[in-house]
Amino acid sequence: GAVVSQHPSWVICKSGTSVKIECRSLDFQATTMFWYRQFPKQSLMLMATSNEGSKATYEQGVEKDKFLINHASLTLSTLTVTSAHPEDSSFYICSASLLNEKLFFGSGTQLSVL
Amino acid sequence: KQEVTQIPAALSVPEGENLVLNCSFTDSAIYNLQWFRQDPGKGLTSLLLIQSSQREQTSGRLNASLDKSSGRSTLYIAASQPGDSATYLCAADNYGQNFVFGPGTRLSVLP
Repeated sequence: GAVVSQHPSWVICKSGTSVKIECRSLDFQATTMFWYRQFPKQSLMLMATSNEGSKATYEQGVEKDKFLINHASLTLSTLTVTSAHPEDSSFYICSASLLNEKLFFGSGTQLSVL
Repeated sequence: KQEVTQIPAALSVPEGENLVLNCSFTDSAIYNLQWFRQDPGKGLTSLLLIQSSQREQTSGRLNASLDKSSGRSTLYIAASQPGDSATYLCAADNYGQNFVFGPGTRLSVLP
């Protein structure tokens, strides 16, 4: 089946630094990728929708300047958490849409900001 | 705005039992409904996807049903095993491209 690779799996960083998370569709072209965030004991929440070659669409309440999304090709989308703070510590997951139907998910990235 | 709820929030059963997880959604105009499994510290695994025109899908010991008119979906797990322990999430897709997730049901299957 389709595979989505997400790196890194976990990252610990100091407050104020920036962290980049990569999401790659390995064996299919994903015209749309999605970024989710999950805080402990809460449901997964959509952060933004990323279409190849265009600006990402952010959900209400998600800061565009803080969470930079780049979707440079049909197989790669990146999420950069800029000037990370402890409240940004969360589980981030990407997913890629195959034929605009079934979603395939990355393995997630656990971010801990000290 | 679509809202998705799941009952129960947590469930603990002895191995071998058949069980049902419930998912409700407020907007019946869905494109499809999907069930996921989430293991601690890991990404979501898609279990079953039910298109809006379908009433159920089966995969192994899993069976998911969809009743759009009542805004409900159920996930039936037959002969539960300890390896089934995880959090199960349902998600309703209204626009064909993203999902509204429920809060999940945390399942523990005791050996």
